[in-house]
Amino acid sequence: GAVVSQHPSWVICKSGTSVKIECRSLDFQATTMFWYRQFPKQSLMLMATSNEGSKATYEQGVEKDKFLINHASLTLSTLTVTSAHPEDSSFYICSARQGVEAFFGQGTRLTVV
Amino acid sequence: RKEVEQDPGPFNVPEGATVAFNCTYSNSASQSFFWYRQDCRKEPKLLMSVYSSGNEDGRFTAQLNRASQYISLLIRDSKLSDSATYLCVVPRPGSARQLTFGSGTQLTVLP
Repeated sequence: GAVVSQHPSWVICKSGTSVKIECRSLDFQATTMFWYRQFPKQSLMLMATSNEGSKATYEQGVEKDKFLINHASLTLSTLTVTSAHPEDSSFYICSARQGVEAFFGQGTRLTVV
Repeated sequence: RKEVEQDPGPFNVPEGATVAFNCTYSNSASQSFFWYRQDCRKEPKLLMSVYSSGNEDGRFTAQLNRASQYISLLIRDSKLSDSATYLCVVPRPGSARQLTFGSGTQLTVLP
């Protein structure tokens, strides 16, 4: 099946710093990728839809200036959490669909201290 | 009605038991439905897709009831390795590609 690779798998950063998370589709091209956030014991919540070559579409309540998304190629989307704060600590997962099936990256566990 | 709603559980069942989860959805126009499995601290992985009335794959059976707008997942002969959170996933209303995830049903199979 298709593979989506996400990096890093975990990161610890200091408050106020920025963290970049990469999501790659390894064996297919993805014009659209999705970024989710998952807090403990909760489901995946869509943060934004990343579109290759154009601006990302953000969900209501998600600050686009804080969560910068760049989808510069058909196989790579990046999410940058800017000026991270402890409340941004969460599990971030990217996804891309090939046909009807959604494939997920391994997730990035972000801890802001 | 919420876009997707699941019983959060937890369901604690003995090995070999049969367990069923239900999921209700609000978008009557949805044509495809999915059950994903998520292990602790891991990414979700597709378990089953449901397009018509149902789908069966080994010990797993998914059924769709369009009239009542619910999907069920039946697991027979539960194994310890079935312990996970099961996510009901439906297409988002008005979107061709976005998905809405249920909150998940936690299953623990006990020895």
